[in-house]
Amino acid sequence: QQQVKQSPQSLIVQKGGISIINCAYENTAFDYFPWYQQFPGKGPALLIAIRPDVSEKKEGRFTISFNKSAKQFSLHIMDSQPGDSATYFCAARVGGGADGLTFGKGTHLIIQP
Amino acid sequence: EAGVAQSPRYKIIEKRQSVAFWCNPISGHATLYWYQQILGQGPKLLIQFQNNGVVDDSQLPKDRFSAERLKGVDSTLKIQPAKLEDSAVYLCASSLARDRAQFFGPGTRLTVL
Repeated sequence: QQQVKQSPQSLIVQKGGISIINCAYENTAFDYFPWYQQFPGKGPALLIAIRPDVSEKKEGRFTISFNKSAKQFSLHIMDSQPGDSATYFCAARVGGGADGLTFGKGTHLIIQP
Repeated sequence: EAGVAQSPRYKIIEKRQSVAFWCNPISGHATLYWYQQILGQGPKLLIQFQNNGVVDDSQLPKDRFSAERLKGVDSTLKIQPAKLEDSAVYLCASSLARDRAQFFGPGTRLTVL
């Protein structure tokens, strides 16, 4: 059972455009939602994260929007650049002792110059 | 600050052989995780340590996988005997404590022939 569903699987955006990646979850015990960026041959790197008591969080060109009632959250990349081309993963975590991350399947983002 | 270190970076073995991976977390990080990332998928948690104790190993195939963190710092993950479906990238992550951000190493790419 996939607890975090991510879409789209792949995305092509023109340079300067807005990239939007969506995730939906089922487990209401999740209390922390990070986004990771992964380049080929590298480990995932933490990009930005949000907790469910906040509806939006912005860091530079990256924004997370969170809708608790719909159990959905999304990543927006403003002014997308070729250097943003990577695979993006959403994840979720249950608070408390066992706090391993449950990841989505990833979105392969290509920013065309 | 040095990141999470992993070795080896690549390993090719025949099925039924054994293999071991090593991880050195960020200095001072009490919590350590091992994830398996199959090509085209998000990482999947295998095991979580808090210092040298196991917090969660519910998704670890215990008939062939084992892991230890004897002194609460470095950790090793072993597979014996390996199967074809074990081909994946094995990622180590660490966090300062539970419920804190997780930081990933570069991973070990395992190919089982």
